[in-house]
Amino acid sequence: QKEVEQDPGPLSVPEGAIVSLNCTYSNSAFQYFMWYRQYSRKGPELLMYTYSSGNKEDGRFTAQVDKSSKYISLFIRDSQPSDSATYLCATNNPFGNEKLTFGTGTRLTIIP
Amino acid sequence: SQTIHQWPATLVQPVGSPLSLECTVEGTSNPNLYWYRQAAGRGLQLLFYSVGIGQISSEVPQNLSASRPQDRQFILSSKKLLLSDSGFYLCAWKGGYDNSPLHFGNGTRLTVT
Repeated sequence: QKEVEQDPGPLSVPEGAIVSLNCTYSNSAFQYFMWYRQYSRKGPELLMYTYSSGNKEDGRFTAQVDKSSKYISLFIRDSQPSDSATYLCATNNPFGNEKLTFGTGTRLTIIP
Repeated sequence: SQTIHQWPATLVQPVGSPLSLECTVEGTSNPNLYWYRQAAGRGLQLLFYSVGIGQISSEVPQNLSASRPQDRQFILSSKKLLLSDSGFYLCAWKGGYDNSPLHFGNGTRLTVT
């Protein structure tokens, strides 16, 4: 079992829709969680960062962490074509804080 | 603010040639530094990381090596490239304290022909 599982998609939704991206993780010791956005041929860009259960909101983006279910989500409201990218979830490795564990990424396309 | 520079953006090299990719970070001190490789349609593979000058940890045995000659400089090298070394190479940094997130450069797309 991978430490972090993420549906690779691809996921296509119409412009303006609410997007839900999800990851599950296996180790209950994971402490903090990140979402990255990666445009084609670019490096991943940190989008959201949270270290507790509950919701964190930043503009149209909401990160949700449910530690009891080992489930993390990223919601995008009023999706725009510019949101088309690959989204990666990540969490820390409790056995080595120097290293993060990444999901494989979900490719998202927003259709105008 | 902190910035990370990675170059070159693209590189085409013949099999058997040497490689040197460089990464520098500005606006922070004592960062942890990382080299990742991302193959098409696959996830991020951690290659090397460093928590200080001259300290290199290797995650995957291969014909690549890394060096950290200065606090904010990280270099990825190879003496002889293989076709399988083609990929998207990403440098990243994070603060040297718990719970700090990772920040990536814009990557180098390497094609070995």
